[in-house]
Amino acid sequence: NAGVTQTPKFQVLKTGQSMTLQCAQDMNHEYMSWYRQDPGMGLRLIHYSVGAGITDQGEVPNGYNVSRSTTEDFPLRLLSAAPSQTSVYFCASSYQGTQGYTFGSGTRLTVV
Amino acid sequence: GQQLNQSPQSMFIQEGEDVSMNCTSSSIFNTWLWYKQDPGEGPVLLIALYKAGELTSNGRLTAQFGITRKDSFLNISASIPSDVGIYFCAGRTSNTGKLIFGQGTTLQVKP
Repeated sequence: NAGVTQTPKFQVLKTGQSMTLQCAQDMNHEYMSWYRQDPGMGLRLIHYSVGAGITDQGEVPNGYNVSRSTTEDFPLRLLSAAPSQTSVYFCASSYQGTQGYTFGSGTRLTVV
Repeated sequence: GQQLNQSPQSMFIQEGEDVSMNCTSSSIFNTWLWYKQDPGEGPVLLIALYKAGELTSNGRLTAQFGITRKDSFLNISASIPSDVGIYFCAGRTSNTGKLIFGQGTTLQVKP
């Protein structure tokens, strides 16, 4: 098992550009989430999904879109990048909502 | 929205010392989780707690789910240099799978 795979590992964007952060898991996990991590602020939930076709907003959803067309993939889209979106982004998955989440190794995004 | 208050924010201790950190919330949680993050990596699950009052150990780590379901603590005994990292608490309120994290405790261990 590869676990949770995030691509790319690093990305630099110009303000206003769009991009998609990819997340894939091969553990047949139903639950998937996206977090952003900023210094001193812990991990903040952006969007989450409890299964294919079902998504919901977390604590900081503005500026981000998600979709869940398959169990394996949960891409995060930045529609128009802003410097405030400079952060490290983590994708995580869980077999059931009652279990702990397994995290990917992160995508470090810089918006200039 | 839901918030987890984690303390202390950072700790600098001597190797061999015991460490204690805790999380509190104004909301009730059904599950408490403790994670550790090494530099450049994603968080890794250390301990999961599912019942109020539950006390669970994982090697030198011990965590408890508070009776009120609004708090949890993590103890590390006899710290070693590889304990260095950021420790996060996380809470989940229902079966939605929505997991909220505390701000983290940065631990540094002096050999």
